[in-house]
Amino acid sequence: EPEVTQTPSHQVTQMGQEVILRCVPISNHLYFYWYRQILGQKVEFLVSFYNNEISEKSEIFDDQFSVERPDGSNFTLKIRSTKLEDSAMYFCASSPDRGYGYTFGSGTRLTVV
Amino acid sequence: QQQVKQSPQSLIVQKGGISIINCAYENTAFDYFPWYQQFPGKGPALLIAIRPDVSEKKEGRFTISFNKSAKQFSLHIMDSQPGDSATYFCAASLAGNMLTFGGGTRLMVKP
Repeated sequence: EPEVTQTPSHQVTQMGQEVILRCVPISNHLYFYWYRQILGQKVEFLVSFYNNEISEKSEIFDDQFSVERPDGSNFTLKIRSTKLEDSAMYFCASSPDRGYGYTFGSGTRLTVV
Repeated sequence: QQQVKQSPQSLIVQKGGISIINCAYENTAFDYFPWYQQFPGKGPALLIAIRPDVSEKKEGRFTISFNKSAKQFSLHIMDSQPGDSATYFCAASLAGNMLTFGGGTRLMVKP
């Protein structure tokens, strides 16, 4: 069964540093997403991406965040200057149709110290 | 307006029993209601989903019941098994836009 692959599985970074979280969506999917889950809390939407541009973003997705699909297979989330409150599990997802039939990756646990 | 409230936060069921998880939403324009299952260390996996034009959808041991007038929907797991022990999330979305998740229910099925 096709999978969404995320790397690394765990990243520890110092406050103020830049991090890039990487994802390889399912190859024939056209819509890509990032969600995050702070420990013990609900899963929250960050951003959706289609046709090489952001189609929707949440209030969480401020100027510190950016997404990119650099080479047609990878989908990345960059956090420019990490804060302690960015510590969370970040999930990448892809879908063949807008908003339906998501497949989530296993997540990257980001710890900001 | 965008909230989805889920209950209970945790649930313990005996093997063979019925697990019932409930969700309530506020936005009457939501048109897609999926349920996700999440095992530790894994991402959420789509279990079953329903649209508001039907009141019930069944897939194997999993059934969604949908009450549009009450703005509520629920997941029923029949003949619950220890392998069903996981965290379950309800969610809702509008016109293919972002998923709004409930707070999650940690289900434990005792052998």
